[in-house]
Amino acid sequence: AQTVTQSQPEMSVQEAETVTLSCTYDTSENNYYLFWYKQPPSRQMILVIRQEAYKQQNATENRFSVNFQKAAKSFSLKISDSQLGDTAMYFCAFILQNRDDKIIFGKGTRLHILP
Amino acid sequence: NAGVMQNPRHLVRRRGQEARLRCSPMKGHSHVYWYRQLPEEGLKFMVYLQKENIIDESGMPKERFSAEFPKEGPSILRIQQVVRGDSAAYFCASSQTAVPSFLAEAFFGQGTRLTVV
Repeated sequence: AQTVTQSQPEMSVQEAETVTLSCTYDTSENNYYLFWYKQPPSRQMILVIRQEAYKQQNATENRFSVNFQKAAKSFSLKISDSQLGDTAMYFCAFILQNRDDKIIFGKGTRLHILP
Repeated sequence: NAGVMQNPRHLVRRRGQEARLRCSPMKGHSHVYWYRQLPEEGLKFMVYLQKENIIDESGMPKERFSAEFPKEGPSILRIQQVVRGDSAAYFCASSQTAVPSFLAEAFFGQGTRLTVV
């Protein structure tokens, strides 16, 4: 069975700083996708970034980038130049490729951006 | 194109009553997923449905819980004889194709917060 672990329940950083959220996962499969979702106070789940496991190049979306270490089964999210609007819960998620399957989520990291 | 619509946003039920949660997927989406979020927890998968079919219900309790996604109308998550432990936020997501396709994205609704008193 696949599992996703986020070891940081809560983090706080000053506005404009860079912050890294950690995520590790466990699977015996080789082909899968990884995601980071943001859940602001509105509770809406918003896809931030996604990574294909077969791609070595780390995904980047504006201020958001990932450090994907497949051998270590690690998928951390880096937020550069953090903004107050980045305050939210962040969930790491995993899904197997080429299967009718479900997304598996970690327990989340609550991120506070301080003014 | 409206997003995934869930209603009601908040639902209060007394123990023993029935709760019906509705999810209207985005237009053109035929895949629906239900997740439950307990306080300070991630989203736990409950059930995955395609039109008129349950594909995977491995995360749904065997008793009191049921889900459907009819040919016409919204997907319904039904909880019979609710208990306090059912209090949670229930999220629905929809996608145009099965999510494992990299191009497919699961769009989430804003959730229904169920409180059992």
